[in-house]
Amino acid sequence: KQEVTQIPAALSVPEGENLVLNCSFTDSAIYNLQWFRQDPGKGLTSLLLIQSSQREQTSGRLNASLDKSSGRSTLYIAASQPGDSATYLCAAFSVDYGGATNKLIFGTGTLLAVQP
Amino acid sequence: EAEVAQSPRYKITEKSQAVAFWCDPISGHATLYWYRQILGQGPELLVQFQDESVVDDSQLPKDRFSAERLKGVDSTLKIQPAELGDSAMYLCASSLEAGVRNTQYFGPGTRLTVL
Repeated sequence: KQEVTQIPAALSVPEGENLVLNCSFTDSAIYNLQWFRQDPGKGLTSLLLIQSSQREQTSGRLNASLDKSSGRSTLYIAASQPGDSATYLCAAFSVDYGGATNKLIFGTGTLLAVQP
Repeated sequence: EAEVAQSPRYKITEKSQAVAFWCDPISGHATLYWYRQILGQGPELLVQFQDESVVDDSQLPKDRFSAERLKGVDSTLKIQPAELGDSAMYLCASSLEAGVRNTQYFGPGTRLTVL
C-alpha cells in the first residue's frame, strides 16, 4: 500500500529565502506526482504535475523534481514571499492493487509560514 | 475561469442527524471525486464517478454514506446518521477524464462539524 510522507510538518522562513519541501513515497509504481497548495479552510490548487517519465517541472518561482528510484520528490520555492504562506501537499498517482482504480495518495502536508 | 462549486461551505449538525453536500463540477468534466480531509491530514478518496457510474467506492463507509451523480453532472454526498468522527472537510474534485494525464481541480470544500 502506497504511503506518502512529507517533511518537515511545518516550516517558518524569512521573506526572500529559498526553501525546499520534501515528499517521499514507499511504492515507486507511480504514474505521476503532483504538488498542491491549500490555504486555510480552502480547497486545493494544483501547482505542478510531474509525469513518471519526467525528472522535473517548473512554474515561475516553483521547481519540482522527481526521483522514482529513491521514492522522493522535492518542491523548491525561490525568493519566498509572505503570499506563499500556505500548506503544501504532495500526492502520488499510484497503482492501487486492491482497489478498482488508480488514485491520488496524499501526504499530510507542510505548513509554510513566510515572515515579512 | 471555470471552477468546481460546492455547497454549503460550512455545516454544523448534531450526532445522528442526516447531512447532504452538493458538488457541481467543471462543465464537460466526466470524472468526479469526493474526498474527506481530517484536520492535519491529507485528503482521502471516498468515491469516484465516471459520468453517472461509480468506479471506486472502496473507502466509502457504506453503512452511513451514500453518493450519487444521477445525470452525470452534479453530485450529492449524504451521511446518515452523522457521527462525531465524521467532522472533517469534504472536498469535491473533477477532471476531464480519469487518465493519469488529467489534472484534478478541487472545489472550496464543505467544512462539517458534528456535535
